[in-house]
Amino acid sequence: EVQLVESGGDLVQPGGSLRLSCAASGFTFSSYEMNWVRQAPGKGLEWVSYISSSGRSIYYADSVKGRFTISRDNAKNSLYLQMNSLRAEDTAVYYCARLLDGDYDDDYWGQGTLVTVSS
Amino acid sequence: QLVLTQSPSASASLGASVKLTCTLSSGHSSYAIAWHQQQPEKGPRYLMKLKSDGSHSKGDGIPDRFSGSSSGAERYLTISSLQSEDEADYYCQTWGTGIRVFGGGTKLTVL
Repeated sequence: EVQLVESGGDLVQPGGSLRLSCAASGFTFSSYEMNWVRQAPGKGLEWVSYISSSGRSIYYADSVKGRFTISRDNAKNSLYLQMNSLRAEDTAVYYCARLLDGDYDDDYWGQGTLVTVSS
Repeated sequence: QLVLTQSPSASASLGASVKLTCTLSSGHSSYAIAWHQQQPEKGPRYLMKLKSDGSHSKGDGIPDRFSGSSSGAERYLTISSLQSEDEADYYCQTWGTGIRVFGGGTKLTVL
């Protein structure tokens, strides 16, 4: 059974930093591209960042470019999101998601972790 | 620019059918999409991938009541024999090189 379990969400002050983690199991993690997606309170889904299976290709939404860094450790079956210079508008539930660019396998979502940026 | 447009809301009666629409932006009518469901207070759940020719592949455990179809730049999700647990937000999503794009979501109310 595929599982994606996020952790690391917390209350942080504006300008602060936070690191989110996602533990993957039930599939060959090193073979799949991964994403972070967020959802602000009462809002829709917003894609945040993408990383290829090897980690060599990385993309970010304009809203987080230069502040967030995605990474992965295939030996540990883990995905990370380092978030710096946090703003109030970064407040959201952050989801780890296997969103594939084809139908060769299913997409999967984690249960999410809440990040609150407030003083 | 790759954009997905969805109606904000839809409603249908228990036991009836409903067809939700996702429209791809100009120049992107050949793109495949994915449909995801988000029930209240839960994380999203993958439903299916849907190609421009209407062929679709559903996620593991997705009931036969859920089906997809396509026409031009429009991608549809049809839910038949509506049940109370189908009341949820439905998001379409597509992809470019490295990027993922979501529609604004449709809130489905089961009457």
